[in-house]
Amino acid sequence: GEEVAQTPKHLVRGEGQKAKLYCAPIKGHSYVFWYQQVLKNEFKFLISFQNENVFDETGMPKERFSAKCLPNSPCSLEIQATKLEDSAVYFCASSQISYEQYFGPGTRLTVT
Amino acid sequence: QKEVEQNSGPLSVPEGAIASLNCTYSDRGSQSFFWYRQYSGKSPELIMSIYSNGDKEDGRFTAQLNKASQYVSLLIRDSQPSDSATYLCAVNMERAAGNKLTFGGGTRVLVKP
Repeated sequence: GEEVAQTPKHLVRGEGQKAKLYCAPIKGHSYVFWYQQVLKNEFKFLISFQNENVFDETGMPKERFSAKCLPNSPCSLEIQATKLEDSAVYFCASSQISYEQYFGPGTRLTVT
Repeated sequence: QKEVEQNSGPLSVPEGAIASLNCTYSDRGSQSFFWYRQYSGKSPELIMSIYSNGDKEDGRFTAQLNKASQYVSLLIRDSQPSDSATYLCAVNMERAAGNKLTFGGGTRVLVKP
């Protein structure tokens, strides 16, 4: 597609439950990025992929967060045993060789 | 010191005036610079990218880059109420497609009719 698609728009989980978010990059884009936006404007990089391969995972809290990009499937970001501090908007972005990243509409995760 | 710094604002601008937004970054080796606009509750929208020193113009927007001073700015000419949003400066530390963006905290702009 011409836009990055993310599902669901909103997700509510009780503390300790699992959350799974999905992202379909723009068709033809090789790179996928996940960012977490907390406190209005504070963006935190989580992980990036080049096709199915992890490119940079330096931002991932490894104990509870995992992500995948498999062929012919949306990319996913999974949080096991969610905590209150995981409440945020999670954005997916994609890019091609132009270095410019285009963002999806985001998934708002609320942990109660 | 934050890696990418912006004034949080709000920057209040009369309709029709020029809005001037500034951004400084700490990594002297940074290569790629971007301005995103984010309306409340929405996702960041790319409005400008700049890679070389100097000015780059696109419609009412002009981005200016000075790598020696580690400074990038955005000018919005003929500001409209629809320009009211948060403007995010983002830096790619290396000119590589897979590299993450480091964001500033954003500058909130209010254009008053």
